[in-house]
Amino acid sequence: QKEVEQNSGPLSVPEGAIASLNCTYSDRGSQSFFWYRQYSGKSPELIMFIYSNGDKEDGRFTAQLNKASQYVSLLIRDSQPSDSATYLCAQRVNYQLIWGAGTKLIIKP
Amino acid sequence: NAGVTQTPKFQVLKTGQSMTLQCAQDMNHNSMYWYRQDPGMGLRLIYYSASEGTTDKGEVPNGYNVSRLNKREFSLRLESAAPSQTSVYFCASKPGQDSYEQYFGPGTRLTVT
Repeated sequence: QKEVEQNSGPLSVPEGAIASLNCTYSDRGSQSFFWYRQYSGKSPELIMFIYSNGDKEDGRFTAQLNKASQYVSLLIRDSQPSDSATYLCAQRVNYQLIWGAGTKLIIKP
Repeated sequence: NAGVTQTPKFQVLKTGQSMTLQCAQDMNHNSMYWYRQDPGMGLRLIYYSASEGTTDKGEVPNGYNVSRLNKREFSLRLESAAPSQTSVYFCASKPGQDSYEQYFGPGTRLTVT
């Protein structure tokens, strides 16, 4: 069974620090990964996607993909209280998304 | 441009009742999806429609049916609701199967007593 695993948290990070969120996957077949952010009571929204080994940067966000170790990371630099949310990792398999359960991130002022 | 809309926002059903969740998108997207989200679990795909006129089962289709009424609308029907179907239901769409980003509706919070 294809699985995407995330630590449920909560992960507590001081404001201004780097938040590091991790995700592991079992299916080596597809190498497209997505990070969605979901505020409490709201719907998921896409932050980044990555499909090449290495790093991809977009503003304060960096996604990292390590195919050999089968993990994907999301780094958030200069964390802000508005970054407090649940972060969902997803892997695209056969045009569908397999979702992790999400990691709850809390940024403390 | 409303994006993806869902109705109703909240619903309480008794066991055995039926209802239809409505979803519509105004972005001219081909692909549409129905997910459920339960506490401590990831989004699970119920049904999807890769394009108008086609529907396929996802990971958890039992107890549900869908209709792709036209390109804009994709409805989800619970024929005989069970407490295990208490969940938050999200509809999503994207331009085509090869597209990366899925756009989500605001969700329907369903409670079955």
